[in-house]
Amino acid sequence: KAGVTQTPRYLIKTRGQQVTLSCSPISGHRSVSWYQQTPGQGLQFLFEYFSETQRNKGNFPGRFSGRQFSNSRSEMNVSTLELGDSALYLCASSSGTPNSPLHFGNGTRLTVT
Amino acid sequence: QKEVEQDPGPLSVPEGAIVSLNCTYSNSAFQYFMWYRQYSRKGPELLMYTYSSGNKEDGRFTAQVDKSSKYISLFIRDSQPSDSATYLCAMNLRNQFYFGTGTSLTVIP
Repeated sequence: KAGVTQTPRYLIKTRGQQVTLSCSPISGHRSVSWYQQTPGQGLQFLFEYFSETQRNKGNFPGRFSGRQFSNSRSEMNVSTLELGDSALYLCASSSGTPNSPLHFGNGTRLTVT
Repeated sequence: QKEVEQDPGPLSVPEGAIVSLNCTYSNSAFQYFMWYRQYSRKGPELLMYTYSSGNKEDGRFTAQVDKSSKYISLFIRDSQPSDSATYLCAMNLRNQFYFGTGTSLTVIP
């Protein structure tokens, strides 16, 4: 079974631009979560989508948004990029049933200059 | 107080040593516990998934949960250089996940 696939692997953007990251979950998984990982803060939860609906949301500003499509693929968008948005963005999928574990992709490394 | 506390290390051991990685947590409602391994430039990989108290073994890895002490451990026997990575503990409650900050481990040949 193919794992979680994230594209692109690396991105370099300048302040003020916007960016869209893509995630394809494990086949059959209906839940997709997004995390931001930085050396100082560890894993920070952005949001979770289940069957195209946002089910949970973390404490990030509205510049961070996401969506999920009917095939469970998900995209995350960050508008008006700031230097502090430089991080590894991780997508994780799960079956969505209670207490099922997360399976992560290898992330998109975003650098904002 | 953070929900999950994990010593960031770094931890350095010789090849063949037994490694003990630990996390403490504050919410007694947690019942599902996970350990992830993250290599540099990769995403976290699920290593162990356990429910409630007790031990679970998988090859050289043993996950231990002590709910009375709110303490979980991951033991690695006969550690190998390929075990060099960051290890994150995680807990799941009603589809919300709580992660430790990770412990960096280096196994020296």
